[in-house]
This record gives sequence, C-alpha cells and structure tokens, in this order.
Amino acid sequence: RKEVEQDPGPFNVPEGATVAFNCTYSNSASQSFFWYRQDCRKEPKLLMSVYSSGNEDGRFTAQLNRASQYISLLIRDSKLSDSATYLCVVLVSGGYNKLIFGAGTRLAVHP
Amino acid sequence: GAGVSQSPRYKVTKRGQDVALRCDPISGHVSLYWYRQALGQGPEFLTYFNYEAQQDKSGLPNDRFSAERPEGSISTLTIQRTEQRDSAMYRCASSRTTTSYEQYFGPGTRLTVT
Repeated sequence: RKEVEQDPGPFNVPEGATVAFNCTYSNSASQSFFWYRQDCRKEPKLLMSVYSSGNEDGRFTAQLNRASQYISLLIRDSKLSDSATYLCVVLVSGGYNKLIFGAGTRLAVHP
Repeated sequence: GAGVSQSPRYKVTKRGQDVALRCDPISGHVSLYWYRQALGQGPEFLTYFNYEAQQDKSGLPNDRFSAERPEGSISTLTIQRTEQRDSAMYRCASSRTTTSYEQYFGPGTRLTVT
C-alpha cells in the first residue's frame, strides 16, 4: 500500500464550480501535512499547509482528520488558472524533513 | 532572487555510462533534497543534506546512486552504470533552515537512458 494515496482524476469542472480532493496516508505517526500544486511540465510549489483545526486561504480550504488519516482540499469558485495537479504531501516523523508525496490529482477547469 | 537551478536540463546517455546531475540551491538555504519523479507520479524522495552532511539516503534505489554536497552549497547526484529504468525527471529542492517545511523545487533534469 502506498504511503500517501490520492484519486488521480482527472476532475473536469466548469469555471465557478466547487471541487474537493481527498487523500489518505498510512503512517499514523505522520506529523505535518501539505498540499503542493504542480503545473504541467513545471516544478511542484507549496500551496498550503494543513492544520488540525482546518485552515483557509482565499478560495482554498484544507482539512485534516487524524483519526481517519484523511486530508482534504476544497477549491471554491474554480478559475481556469486552477488547472493543475494537486499533490498531497506528508512529513515523515522523526525530526527529518522527509516529504512523502502522493501521485497527485489532476484538475482541469473549463470555460 | 534566483531560485533553485539544475543542470543540465536534459541529459541523454547510453546505458552503462555514468552521469552527474548538478543542483544549485537558493543562496543561503541550508537543506537540500533530491527527488526522482516518474511521469504521472509525485516526487519520490532520494536523499537530503543539512549543510554538507548527508542526513538520510534511504531513498537511493541502489549503490549506483550517490550524492554529495562537499561545501554545503552545490550538490551533485551521480548515477553510475546507468540503466534504462533510471530514466526519469530528477528534481532538487532546498529549504531555508533545517526545520523549514517549505521546499523550493528546481526545474529538474530530464534523464533519458537509451
């Protein structure tokens, strides 16, 4: 079983739609969680961290459920520019900055 | 300021040859990471450094792969006796401190082994 699992998609949504991505992780000792965004043929970039209480950054909302080992990302009012692959990322515990990436969920927003 | 740079951007080599991939992190960043990314997959951790010390090399696939960062800045990932299965995008990332969670990625080196 992969350490971080995501639905690969693609999610094809119209502009203005709300879309949600889910991610599960297998290591219960994982301590920190993130969403990275990767545009086609580009490098991954940090989108947002995920906090236990849930957090919001503009149109983006991230949630963490430690009991279920489940992370989510909600995008409201989708824009064409949101089209990208969204990578769920988990920090391995032990004091080292070893990030484990999921395979990514592809989002395509159309007019 | 300048981001993470990697060279070469593309490398085609014949099976059995050695290759050296270079990473120049953001100036002042103390931690440096190497990843390998296959098409349609997320980056896969290979190894990382704090300053010049290699902290974790558990992700290196086998002993043909090695990395160094002798002066705590530029790093080289070396693959000896390349095989076709080594073909992938090799990405480098750096972070400002040893406890920074945000990693800044470079554009990658696309390695093709023929």
